[in-house]
Amino acid sequence: DTEVTQTPKHLVMGMTNKKSLKCEQHMGHRAMYWYKQKAKKPPELMFVYSYEKLSINESVPSRFSPECPNSSLLNLHLHALQPEDSALYLCASSQERLWAGRTNTEAFFGQGTRLTVV
Amino acid sequence: SQQGEEDPQALSIQEGENATMNCSYKTSINNLQWYRQNSGRGLVHLILIRSNEREKHSGRLRVTLDTSKKSSSLLITASRAADTASYFCATAATGGFKTIFGAGTRLFVKA
Repeated sequence: DTEVTQTPKHLVMGMTNKKSLKCEQHMGHRAMYWYKQKAKKPPELMFVYSYEKLSINESVPSRFSPECPNSSLLNLHLHALQPEDSALYLCASSQERLWAGRTNTEAFFGQGTRLTVV
Repeated sequence: SQQGEEDPQALSIQEGENATMNCSYKTSINNLQWYRQNSGRGLVHLILIRSNEREKHSGRLRVTLDTSKKSSSLLITASRAADTASYFCATAATGGFKTIFGAGTRLFVKA
């Protein structure tokens, strides 16, 4: 199984709503990532989890709250979002945190959640 | 600015032709990777080239890396309509832990 599964595929939420994005992988990868991608732009790193601990937060606003309940799951909790937060949110995993840093491993990406904030 | 910059931004070719995309970066890297993305879906890893490698092949893909010029190219030979997608290079700086994506090239292959 080389899949990263993200749910839901699409999400429309109001600015006062609370919702969560979910990501799951069963490849035994110990590093998981959240990326945000706006239309016609490259993915931008948001968070990195390594061995279920948050290791990188790219100065993401607190209205985005990541959670890693276990080594296979990664959540992104959303609260009081703004319309400009509308984007494709991508989850990825790799064998270890030092993906493409000191180690030469690839990352596997999910299909993303298309989020629209109204 | 971004670690990886790509050109062209968009490329339109006929089926059967070759497509070449270029990526430039600014700092020393451990490796460079190329990814493909269809219509705003997830990214698919295509190929990884290490900083001590100059060329790598995978099927119809050929990647070169010139660390002296801090640039890489991706060549897709005998393109097919199904190759229509956005292609991103991704680099990780030496000693760094983050991978940064280039702006991407949107490839259109006309049948």
